[in-house]
Amino acid sequence: SAVISQKPSRDICQRGTSLTIQCQVDSQVTMMFWYRQQPGQSLTLIATANQGSEATYESGFVIDKFPISRPNLTFSTLTVSNMSPEDSSIYLCSGVSTDTQYFGPGTRLTVL
Amino acid sequence: ILNVEQSPQSLHVQEGDSTNFTCSFPSSNFYALHWYRWETAKSPEALFVMTLNGDEKKKGRISATLNTKEGYSYLYIKGSQPEDSATYLCAFEISGTYKYIFGTGTRLKVLA
Repeated sequence: SAVISQKPSRDICQRGTSLTIQCQVDSQVTMMFWYRQQPGQSLTLIATANQGSEATYESGFVIDKFPISRPNLTFSTLTVSNMSPEDSSIYLCSGVSTDTQYFGPGTRLTVL
Repeated sequence: ILNVEQSPQSLHVQEGDSTNFTCSFPSSNFYALHWYRWETAKSPEALFVMTLNGDEKKKGRISATLNTKEGYSYLYIKGSQPEDSATYLCAFEISGTYKYIFGTGTRLKVLA
């Protein structure tokens, strides 16, 4: 299994600003992902964080809005850029270990 | 578009009652069906991963079944306790990708 932590756990931000969320895994994982859960919606995959290269984004998500880094096998960051109230969501990272995805506790973002 | 549905959306039961939830998923591109338990401000906790048609898994008072031919899975909780209160998520794993598609979850509240 893997234990995943995220920072910050929550934040309130002004529109037009950016927030970077950090994800740390306690052991090496093969793949890392970033998800978003908007109010009343399901967890939706944003992108696959690739070690040492550009992330792979799902339809509807772009690098300029959600830049992602993964410098090594246990750490990744997601930036939510130029925020608007529609970006208010819970953001979760996950890592794959022994064919199961393990999740962080999420970052609850409110954009005013 | 691959879609995962869960029902009911929310459920209130009395302590000691048994309950069950449904997850419906596509019959194509199936690799596995995952169940998670998610309490507010905590990491989603992996409960079960099921891959074979007819699979049945059990963990204490919680069990799950899988029917890949008709595209559904049931999660059962026997003798519900207040600590079972959480959102239960199912996730469809797309064959060959490690990517998950989540349902919107069933929010369970067990009343003492």
